[in-house]
Amino acid sequence: AQKVTQAQTEISVVEKEDVTLDCVYETRDTTYYLFWYKQPPSGELVFLIRRNSFDEQNEISGRYSWNFQKSTSSFNFTITASQVVDSAVYFCALSRPPSYRDDKIIFGKGTRLHILP
Amino acid sequence: EAQVTQNPRYLITVTGKKLTVTCSQNMNHEYMSWYRQDPGLGLRQIYYSMNVEVTDKGDVPEGYKVSRKEKRNFPLILESPSPNQTSLYFCASTPDTNTEAFFGQGTRLTVV
Repeated sequence: AQKVTQAQTEISVVEKEDVTLDCVYETRDTTYYLFWYKQPPSGELVFLIRRNSFDEQNEISGRYSWNFQKSTSSFNFTITASQVVDSAVYFCALSRPPSYRDDKIIFGKGTRLHILP
Repeated sequence: EAQVTQNPRYLITVTGKKLTVTCSQNMNHEYMSWYRQDPGLGLRQIYYSMNVEVTDKGDVPEGYKVSRKEKRNFPLILESPSPNQTSLYFCASTPDTNTEAFFGQGTRLTVV
């Protein structure tokens, strides 16, 4: 069975600090996809990044970076020099290839991030 | 503009009164799904559909029905709502499960 664990329910940091959101996943598939989504206080869900299981390169986008490590089944998300606008709930998600049966998309429970001014 | 549209955004109803939450997407996506979001439980998939006339249960399908008669529409039906279905609901669409999902703005449902 597939599972996504975001052990950090809530994190508070002071603005300009770096913060890492953890995501640990479980799957028996060799091909799979990992995602991060952001849900700001306004409530909408916004896509941040997608990574497939064969691409372990870390990615950086401005102040955001993602560290994918298959050896530890983790796909962690780091915000550098955090800003108040980063305050949101962040979800990690896991999915199987479209050709597989039981092609659900599994979300973690989310991490609520508070950036304090 | 590419979008997923849910209606209504807010709904208060009484126990047992059938209701439908509509979802429509204009991106010609094959895959559509419904989620409910509850505090401490994250997003849980209710139903999903890989294509027209193809629907499957997600993790929490009890008390819900869906249909996919057209590619663009994927309504969520609560035949006899109960208070434990009070939640924030999201519809999403994506070309398939390995690409980003586009979410509707959410429907906050309260069943009293």
